[in-house]
Amino acid sequence: GQQLNQSPQSMFIQEGEDVSMNCTSSSIFNTWLWYKQDPGEGPVLLIALYKAGELTSNGRLTAQFGITRKDSFLNISASIPSDVGIYFCAARPLTGTASKLTFGTGTRLQVTL
Amino acid sequence: DVKVTQSSRYLVKRTGEKVFLECVQDMDHENMFWYRQDPGLGLRLIYFSYDVKMKEKGDIPEGYSVSREKKERFSLILESASTNQTSMYLCASSRTIAYSSTDTQYFGPGTRLTVL
Repeated sequence: GQQLNQSPQSMFIQEGEDVSMNCTSSSIFNTWLWYKQDPGEGPVLLIALYKAGELTSNGRLTAQFGITRKDSFLNISASIPSDVGIYFCAARPLTGTASKLTFGTGTRLQVTL
Repeated sequence: DVKVTQSSRYLVKRTGEKVFLECVQDMDHENMFWYRQDPGLGLRLIYFSYDVKMKEKGDIPEGYSVSREKKERFSLILESASTNQTSMYLCASSRTIAYSSTDTQYFGPGTRLTVL
């Protein structure tokens, strides 16, 4: 199936630092989503992107839908301890049924004080 | 808010047992999904359902079956549990059966299944 290459796999950062992660693919998608999963919980939607070039913010989070439609990035500014978790990108292909998504393998974020 | 609930947060079963994982959503969503999540592999789709009694195989359906008798409930069945099915299982739902670029999936809290 289609693959999303998500990087980095894990990050150790200090509180207050900015974070950047991205997802790339060889395929074109028309929706990009970013989810966060807290330890022991299910993923929660952070940001949804529906148009190529779209830049969307949600508090300290900013995400962009790449112009080529093959990539997306997520930035977190001024990280805090509660940012710890796994961040997943997900994307919907141009055609398909039942809203099937393809997921990246996740970026594990750990924040030190 | 959309609420997706899963019957158990933690489950321990023995090899060969039949295992039922239940998922319920309260937003009248048409689509429901079962994923398994393993370290380094991300979320992999096992089965999804786009209507009552309708189902389609995902990427890794082997060893699993599903049942959707009511719109709000989607069950994942392990006919004969094996140790390689030890994993985190996540249920999700989304609103519409029609292809919609604005539709998103909402997840339950997950069931961590251990097969001994």
